[in-house]
Amino acid sequence: GQQLNQSPQSMFIQEGEDVSMNCTSSSIFNTWLWYKQDPGEGPVLLIALYKAGELTSNGRLTAQFGITRKDSFLNISASIPSDVGIYFCAGPFSGGSNYKLTFGKGTLLTVNP
Amino acid sequence: NAGVTQTPKFRVLKTGQSMTLLCAQDMNHEYMYWYRQDPGMGLRLIHYSVGEGTTAKGEVPDGYNVSRLKKQNFLLGLESAAPSQTSVYFCASMSTKQGTRNQPQHFGDGTRLSIL
Repeated sequence: GQQLNQSPQSMFIQEGEDVSMNCTSSSIFNTWLWYKQDPGEGPVLLIALYKAGELTSNGRLTAQFGITRKDSFLNISASIPSDVGIYFCAGPFSGGSNYKLTFGKGTLLTVNP
Repeated sequence: NAGVTQTPKFRVLKTGQSMTLLCAQDMNHEYMYWYRQDPGMGLRLIHYSVGEGTTAKGEVPDGYNVSRLKKQNFLLGLESAAPSQTSVYFCASMSTKQGTRNQPQHFGDGTRLSIL
């Protein structure tokens, strides 16, 4: 099946630092989604991107849909302790079913106060 | 707003036992999904349903069965539990596509299942 390469696998940062993570694929994606999973809970959608080059913000979070449609990144500015969790990229790859998502393996973020 | 509700939240089984995980959504969504999450593996699709009375296999369907008798419910069954099925199971639902934009999936809080 299609795979998403998400990096880094984990990050340990100090409160106040900026964070950047990305996803790449060998296949084209029509949509890029970024989810966050808090400990003990299910993933929650943070940002959805629908066209190449799109740059979208949600508070301190900013995500971009790569022009080649094969990558996306998520930035978090001025991190705070509640940013701790696992961040997943996901999307339905072009040529596949729009209702089936492929997920990256996640980036585990730890923020030291 | 309940959203997606999974029951039970925790369960411990012995090898060979059977059980059913229940997922209920109150958003009138057409699509429903069952995933499993294992350390370092992300979310892997087990089975999914595009509507009441329909089911289809996902990426890792072996050892699981599902049923969608009612639109709001999606059941995941383990006929004969194996230690390899120890995992966290997530249910998700999604509305049908509107225009050209894919709708996001909404997740429950998971069922933590241990098979001894």
